[in-house]
Amino acid sequence: DAKTTQPPSMDCAEGRAANLPCNHSTISGNEYVYWYRQIHSQGPQYIIHGLKNNETNEMASLIITEDRKSSTLILPHATLRDTAVYYCIVRVAPSNTGKLIFGQGTTLQVKP
Amino acid sequence: DAGVIQSPRHEVTEMGQEVTLRCKPISGHDYLFWYRQTMMRGLELLIYFNNNVPIDDSGMPEDRFSAKMPNASFSTLKIQPSEPRDSAVYFCASSRDRGEAFFGQGTRLTVV
Repeated sequence: DAKTTQPPSMDCAEGRAANLPCNHSTISGNEYVYWYRQIHSQGPQYIIHGLKNNETNEMASLIITEDRKSSTLILPHATLRDTAVYYCIVRVAPSNTGKLIFGQGTTLQVKP
Repeated sequence: DAGVIQSPRHEVTEMGQEVTLRCKPISGHDYLFWYRQTMMRGLELLIYFNNNVPIDDSGMPEDRFSAKMPNASFSTLKIQPSEPRDSAVYFCASSRDRGEAFFGQGTRLTVV
């Protein structure tokens, strides 16, 4: 599985967009980028995933660079409840196992 | 659906005792994952099942750990004998095919 690199921590002002970067320079052509988050004391929560096109859902947007070596998760209007650890995961292709391997993630602190 | 259900939520046991953690996946999901989370090591994948069959147990720390999935709606993770270093939060997750995984609320295990 391709490894990912994320900054250990970030701050964001409440109401502003939070942009969380992730590097995955060794990603293979058939590997997806997944984002999860973990709010304190809870189980990880799925946010979004993508292959090469940008994706948007009710929670966030995912921007993947054209060379697919990096991506950015965007929370358009961060709230205090978005304070969490955010994990960027490159997942083995659907034809394989489907397992998720978590790194250390980025701790996002949303401040009033 | 009530989501992934884990029991117990908290477990305190004495070193040397047997501990059994339980998980009920979401109905219709064919993948089940067991993770362990500690401050030092983060989220570690211990084992996962597909259609009740263990696929990859390479993350199981040692022979004291065992996991079973006797049917599609139930899985157990057993530690025998337990040791203080097994203290952690254990998460169970399930997914359908290779879609996003849904996590339970976890079992916080303390071995004294």
